[in-house]
Amino acid sequence: GAVVSQHPSRVICKSGTSVKIECRSLDFQATTMFWYRQFPKQSLMLMATSNEGSKATYEQGVEKDKFLINHASLTLSTLTVTSAHPEDSSFYICSAAGGYYNSPLHFGNGTRLTVT
Amino acid sequence: KQEVTQIPAALSVPEGENLVLNCSFTDSAIYNLQWFRQDPGKGLTSLLLIQSSQREQTSGRLNASLDKSSGRSTLYIAASQPGDSATYLCAVFNQETSGSRLTFGEGTQLTVNP
Repeated sequence: GAVVSQHPSRVICKSGTSVKIECRSLDFQATTMFWYRQFPKQSLMLMATSNEGSKATYEQGVEKDKFLINHASLTLSTLTVTSAHPEDSSFYICSAAGGYYNSPLHFGNGTRLTVT
Repeated sequence: KQEVTQIPAALSVPEGENLVLNCSFTDSAIYNLQWFRQDPGKGLTSLLLIQSSQREQTSGRLNASLDKSSGRSTLYIAASQPGDSATYLCAVFNQETSGSRLTFGEGTQLTVNP
C-alpha cells in the first residue's frame, strides 16, 4: 500500500536553531500534502496545506514565517521550524494525498520535536 | 466550517466485549470519512475509509458505517482485544472555500483490559 515516510522521527534542538522535517510519498505522487501539529492528549490541528509547485496555505494563527513549508516535487514536502522555541515542542505529522478528491490520506509516523 | 465530534472521549472495556465508537460531523457535504488509530507517541494508521457514496466498510473485526445525511459515523469493534487499546480518530474530508481539508475529531481513547 501507499507509504509516507517522515524524517526524522525525533529531534532535540536548542532554542533559536532551525529544524527541517521531511515528508516523502514513496509510491505515489502527492499533489497535496498537509502538515499537522499535535499537543499531548489533543487531536491533530491542521497547520498548513501545500500543493506541489505553489505556496502553502496556512491556517489562521499559524505563522508562515516561522513554519516554512516547501513542496518542490510531487513526492517531497518539507516543514522548517525556524528559530525554534520551547513552545514549539510538539508532535508534527504530515499526510499526503494523490490527485483525486476521494483519495485516502496517508500519514507519516510523525516527528517529536523537543526544543530545550 | 466543519466540526467533528467523537463520543465517548474515553472508554474502558473488558476483553472480548463488542463496542461502538461514535463520530458526528456538522457539514454533510463530505468526500469521504476515515477512521484512524493512533498509539501513544506514534503516527496515525488508517483503519477504514468510507467514500461519501458508501454506507459501510469492513476490515476484519472492524466495521464502520456512514450516514451522511445525519452527519454520523460509527466504528464497531467486535471481540475486543488488549491490542486494540489506542486512540481512535475519525476525520472527514471535504471542500471548503479555503480548499480541501481533513478535519479530525478529538478522538476516543480505548482501553481493553485483559
